[in-house]
Amino acid sequence: IQLTQSPSSLSASVGDSVVITCQTSQDISYFLSWYQQKPGKAPKLLIHDASILESGVTSRFSGGGSGTDFTLTISSLQPEDIATYYCHQYDNFPFTFGPGTKVEIK
Amino acid sequence: EVQMVESGGGLVPPGKSLRLACTTSGFAFDEFAMHWVRQAPGKGLEWVSGIDWSNAGRGYADSVRGRFIISRDNARKSIYLQMDNLRPEDTALYFCARDVGRTLGYPESWGQGIRVTVSS
Repeated sequence: IQLTQSPSSLSASVGDSVVITCQTSQDISYFLSWYQQKPGKAPKLLIHDASILESGVTSRFSGGGSGTDFTLTISSLQPEDIATYYCHQYDNFPFTFGPGTKVEIK
Repeated sequence: EVQMVESGGGLVPPGKSLRLACTTSGFAFDEFAMHWVRQAPGKGLEWVSGIDWSNAGRGYADSVRGRFIISRDNARKSIYLQMDNLRPEDTALYFCARDVGRTLGYPESWGQGIRVTVSS
């Protein structure tokens, strides 16, 4: 299953709402997670099952979608949100990650 | 505290083998599936392999199937990745990650990674 993310990078202002999309090459129901990775660090799980926020993750992050089209929304972008974001499907082997979306502050 | 510590990485010539280990602590190891995920320098994440709690269910990326073997030792609370016939494109930081449950799903907690460099 191939995953595409858009945009590949974005630059937004502090306080802006940001939307990252992830499209899968076949229907994966809701078996999608989102990760945040900061430079030099291991990835951090943000959302699983497309829309369930992990405990301890700020509610500024939200996920949506099902089937083949998914979104990660960051409401009110903050400087600490600067990172690369990856979607990941775990519906079918081999599991796969999207190519990533790099988020920067304008 | 959930911890995963990877070891066994290093510099190896193409065609040779390497065995990575991931030693865990802070949770009931035999109740969780585990994953290996890698990241080539400057590139994105690539899921490599996963193994369920019982050692029965395993999966591999197309790029490593037939060359890599994942295994686990519940008594040692560890998983392993035997990597044979290594190629330059296997050069990456290899992360060990714990799943959220017994069967293979999504990685939840991650180690800091171990570097593997395949070069002559």
